[in-house]
Amino acid sequence: NAGVTQTPKFRILKIGQSMTLQCTQDMNHNYMYWYRQDPGMGLKLIYYSVGAGITDKGEVPNGYNVSRSTTEDFPLRLELAAPSQTSVYFCASIPDGAQPQHFGDGTRLSIL
Amino acid sequence: AQSVSQHNHHVILSEAASLELGCNYSYGGTVNLFWYVQYPGQHLQLLLKYFSGDPLVKGIKGFEAEFIKSKFSFNLRKPSVQWSDTAEYFCAVNSNTGGFKTIFGAGTRLFVKA
Repeated sequence: NAGVTQTPKFRILKIGQSMTLQCTQDMNHNYMYWYRQDPGMGLKLIYYSVGAGITDKGEVPNGYNVSRSTTEDFPLRLELAAPSQTSVYFCASIPDGAQPQHFGDGTRLSIL
Repeated sequence: AQSVSQHNHHVILSEAASLELGCNYSYGGTVNLFWYVQYPGQHLQLLLKYFSGDPLVKGIKGFEAEFIKSKFSFNLRKPSVQWSDTAEYFCAVNSNTGGFKTIFGAGTRLFVKA
C-alpha cells in the first residue's frame, strides 16, 4: 500500500516554462488537496477536490490548474512558471472530511 | 474568511519544560480540528484530532489538546518536552459546511535544548 505518491521529488524550472506535478493515491480516497509550503507561512491550500470530476479553489489558486479525471489522480499544472512559485508542494488525501490527511513526500520546485 | 492563527512562530524550551502552543480559528459550522507535526525534511504527521465528544483529546507522544468552543481555540500541550520534540507544529481545521476545505495555521517552530 503506497499511500500518496508525488512525482517528481525535485525540479528546477526556468521562468515561463510549464510543468505538471503528479499526485496519485491508492487508498480510494474521495478528497484530495494540493498545498504549497513556504518558510514561516505554513501550508496554503491551492486547490482541492471532493471527488472525480469536482475541483474547487483554495486560498492561493492563481497560476495553477488542476483536474480530477479519476479518483486516484490529482495532477497540479503550472502553465507559466514564475519565481513566486518556488516552494515545496504537498499533495494530501482523506477518505472523508472528518479524517486526518495522508500526505505525500512533497515536491521541491525551484523556478529560476 | 476562514483562517487559523497560531500565536507563536518560534518557541525555545529546555528539556522537561512544559509546552503550550496556541491555536485559534475562524471557521463556520461544526469543525474538525487537528494538530500535525513536521520533523525536518519530512511531511506532516498527525499528532491528534478532535471531531466531537470530550474536548480534551490525547494524542501520540504524550501530547494533548483542549477544544474550547467559546474561545474558538484548540491549544496543544505537553507536560514535559524532550529534545526529540524539536519540530514544526501545525494546527488545522475543516468543516463539512466548508466542503471539508482544510486550512492550516502558519506553524510554530519548536526547538528543545538538551
